[in-house]
Amino acid sequence: QLQLQESGPGLVKPSETLSLTCTVSGASISSSSDYWGWIRQPPGRGLEWIGSIYYSGSTSYNPSLKSRVTISVDTSKNQFSLKLSSVTAADTAVYYCARVVGYYDSRGLGKFDYWGQGTLVTVSS
Amino acid sequence: EIVLTQSPGTLSLSPGERATLSCRASQSVSSNYLAWYQQKPGQAPRLLIYGASSRATGIPDRFSGSGSGTDFTLTISRLEPEDFAVYYCQQYGSSPQTFGQGTKVEIK
Repeated sequence: QLQLQESGPGLVKPSETLSLTCTVSGASISSSSDYWGWIRQPPGRGLEWIGSIYYSGSTSYNPSLKSRVTISVDTSKNQFSLKLSSVTAADTAVYYCARVVGYYDSRGLGKFDYWGQGTLVTVSS
Repeated sequence: EIVLTQSPGTLSLSPGERATLSCRASQSVSSNYLAWYQQKPGQAPRLLIYGASSRATGIPDRFSGSGSGTDFTLTISRLEPEDFAVYYCQQYGSSPQTFGQGTKVEIK
């Protein structure tokens, strides 16, 4: 059974960098043809795709966040990570990692079929 | 960017009733790459429907999806107590992939 688990600080100061890691178990990131993604949800609001990564390191990002986002992968640890720089209170949200099941040449787009439980990150001084 | 507009915002129904949720796209969704998710409080979203009409693994057949182009529908044929939740549509045919704002199905 595929499982994903987010980890990282729950509190980040304004202007600093938010860093989260997603650990995948039950399947190898590098043996999959799928992408791996990050999605966030501000409290009481809807869902926003942040970006996706392939095990090779190929990435795709939401243009609204692209200037501040870096997603990376560590196949040896079966993990992928999110860094979001220069955070403000508007970045307070539950952050989810998920498997992205795409299609031919989908480049990181796809349906999210397995999700982590989510982790709340609050931006506050 | 494709904007997805879901309606109604809230649907108040009783168990056993039929629920019809709408998702309208600001432009045509490529190859009908449209998914539906269910989210309960404190939980991650769960994939229900993909490709506009295909049920995900383990999803009961009371859930069905239909539509094409810019207009899509999620139908729950007979509401069970566990179906009261928030439902989101997502398009994954064009970058950036986007979600609707959600429809809450609440107990009347």
